[in-house]
Amino acid sequence: GNSVTQMEGPVTLSEEAFLTINCTYTATGYPSLFWYVQYPGEGLQLLLKATKADDKGSNKGFEATYRKETTSFHLEKGSVQVSDSAVYFCALRADYKLSFGAGTTVTVRA
Amino acid sequence: NAGVTQTPKFQVLKTGQSMTLQCAQDMNHEYMSWYRQDPGMGLRLIHYSVGAGITDQGEVPNGYNVSRSTTEDFPLRLLSAAPSQTSVYFCASSSFLRTNTEAFFGQGTRLTVV
Repeated sequence: GNSVTQMEGPVTLSEEAFLTINCTYTATGYPSLFWYVQYPGEGLQLLLKATKADDKGSNKGFEATYRKETTSFHLEKGSVQVSDSAVYFCALRADYKLSFGAGTTVTVRA
Repeated sequence: NAGVTQTPKFQVLKTGQSMTLQCAQDMNHEYMSWYRQDPGMGLRLIHYSVGAGITDQGEVPNGYNVSRSTTEDFPLRLLSAAPSQTSVYFCASSSFLRTNTEAFFGQGTRLTVV
């Protein structure tokens, strides 16, 4: 079946530090890959996505590249801000269902 | 610009009570689903629906019922609440055929069963 393995947190960083959250997947077929973000007290919202191999998704300074050869979709940001404190979920969609990773809690300190 | 609307946002139940969590979407999405979010466990799929009149079980369906009488609405019923159902519940909707598109989530319902 389809599954997502995500680097577990929590992760604590200082402002302007580099952030990377690892995500690998197992899927049949050709999945689309997503990163969702959940700010405190809110629902999940799409951060970025990539729908085929070598695609790079980007938004709000975050980037992730769909690597078919390593079945990975790692999330990166070069300089984090306090406002990036949130829970980040990696997800894949190979059919109509979404499969989620366990989520990574990121805290950025001023 | 409503998207997915969930009600209520917060609820406290006594053990054994029943209730319905409401979910409505205005994007004409065929696929709707319910998740529960528990610390350290990510999101777990409870039930889902691929269209009006069609529902199926997810990973953790016990203690919950769903129905889908219209495309827009997908309520989740707790039949007899238990403390183990204390959680945050999210409803989501997405296109069924366009699997390269994202799911949209409601704001969540924080349920406490005492």
